[in-house]
Amino acid sequence: QVQLKQSGPGLVQPSQSLSITCTVSGFSLTSYGVHWVRQSPGKGLEWLGVIWRGGSTDYNAAFMSRLSITKDNSKSQVFFKMNSLQADDTAIYYCAKNEERGFAYWGQGTLVTVSA
Amino acid sequence: DIVMTQSPSSLAMSVGQKVTMSCKSSQSLLNSSNQKNYLAWYQQKPGQSPKLLVYFASTRESGVPDRFIGSGSGTDFTLTISSVQAEDLADYFCQQHYSTPRTFGGGTKLEIK
Repeated sequence: QVQLKQSGPGLVQPSQSLSITCTVSGFSLTSYGVHWVRQSPGKGLEWLGVIWRGGSTDYNAAFMSRLSITKDNSKSQVFFKMNSLQADDTAIYYCAKNEERGFAYWGQGTLVTVSA
Repeated sequence: DIVMTQSPSSLAMSVGQKVTMSCKSSQSLLNSSNQKNYLAWYQQKPGQSPKLLVYFASTRESGVPDRFIGSGSGTDFTLTISSVQAEDLADYFCQQHYSTPRTFGGGTKLEIK
C-alpha cells in the first residue's frame, strides 16, 4: 500500500536550515510527484512546493529563495530543505503524493519548532 | 495564484443536523477539456494528517461515508454533511488542484454541540 514516512529534526535553531526526508513506498517517484505543505499552530494549510516525476520543481513564490526540493528515485526518497528559519516557520511539515484527484496520501507530519 | 475563500470559519451543530460549508475560488476550476472541476475537500481531525474526502468537486473518495456530499462548479463549491455525527468533529479545508501553487482555503472548524 502507499505510504509516505517522514524523518527530520523536531528542533531547529533560528537562522539554521531544516532538512526533512520523505521516504515513499507503494509507488515510484518516476511516476508521481511529491508536494510539501505546512501548517502553523492553529492555522491552515500552506502549500510550499512540489517535485514532479521528471525532477522539475515548482515553489511557493514566498519561499523560493530559501527552499529546495530534490529526490533520489532509486531510494524512493524526497528531500526537503529550507534555509534561514525563523520563529514563524514553526509548523508541522507534510509531504503528500501528487495525484490528479488531489492529495490522497500524506506523510505523518514533522513538527518543527524554531527556537534557541 | 488562485485564492480560495472558505466560510464560515467555524460552526457548532448538534448530532443529526445538516451542515453546509462554502468554498469560493478567485478563478474557475473547471477544466474545459474534461468538464471536471479541480476542487478537493479534506477533513483534518486533531493530531492527524488531512484526509481526502471529495475530489473533482463531487466525487467521494473510497471509504468516505455517503453523508459527505460535494457540489458546485466553476468558482462556487459546497460541502454538505447530511446528518452530522460526533466523529465528524474536525477542520475542513478546500483545495484547488487545478494549477500550481495548489492553494487551500482557510478552513472551517466544525464543533459538535
